[in-house]
Amino acid sequence: NAGVTQTPKFRVLKTGQSMTLLCAQDMNHEYMYWYRQDPGMGLRLIHYSVGEGTTAKGEVPDGYNVSRLKKQNFLLGLESAAPSQTSVYFCASSRQGEAFFGQGTRLTVV
Amino acid sequence: AQSVTQPDIHITVSEGASLELRCNYSYGATPYLFWYVQSPGQGLQLLLKYFSGDTLVQGIKGFEAEFKRSQSSFNLRKPSVHWSDAAEYFCAGVNAGNMLTFGGGTRLMVKP
Repeated sequence: NAGVTQTPKFRVLKTGQSMTLLCAQDMNHEYMYWYRQDPGMGLRLIHYSVGEGTTAKGEVPDGYNVSRLKKQNFLLGLESAAPSQTSVYFCASSRQGEAFFGQGTRLTVV
Repeated sequence: AQSVTQPDIHITVSEGASLELRCNYSYGATPYLFWYVQSPGQGLQLLLKYFSGDTLVQGIKGFEAEFKRSQSSFNLRKPSVHWSDAAEYFCAGVNAGNMLTFGGGTRLMVKP
């Protein structure tokens, strides 16, 4: 049972480049979330999904897009990366609010 | 806005001393509340959760938390801290729309 898997684990982007972070869960959870974690800021919710085909904005959605075409996958896209998006990104899936987290993706935008 | 807040950014305690980490929530109805722990370079691990019923909940690693509606609090406690408890601790809550949000975190340091 893999739980929540994020790929890639590390990435360096140049300003203006695009990329997609993949989150996959094998627990058949309806709810999935993308967070970013910055020093002193805790975890801030970017976007979330309450089921296949649905997405919703969280606290800091600007500059990001998401898709949930399949229940087990939740993709986070950066269309034009900016240095302010340098962060550690965590994906989570949940059942009854109890969240299970991936190991994180460290993204640096130079 | 519905949220959770953690007033203390850093806390330092001596090994063997008791610990209390504060969490306050602001939700219209009784929310689901959680405490998570994050060790350096790791993801988050669930310590305990409160949905309803008994207001004192027990978690893993000897932690407990008490839900107090009158104070809008869900403080985390441990009677005797071990050096391995040094980590960052996050309080979290889920609102009616299933949006899971986190407090800013409290970094715990343990003195030998």
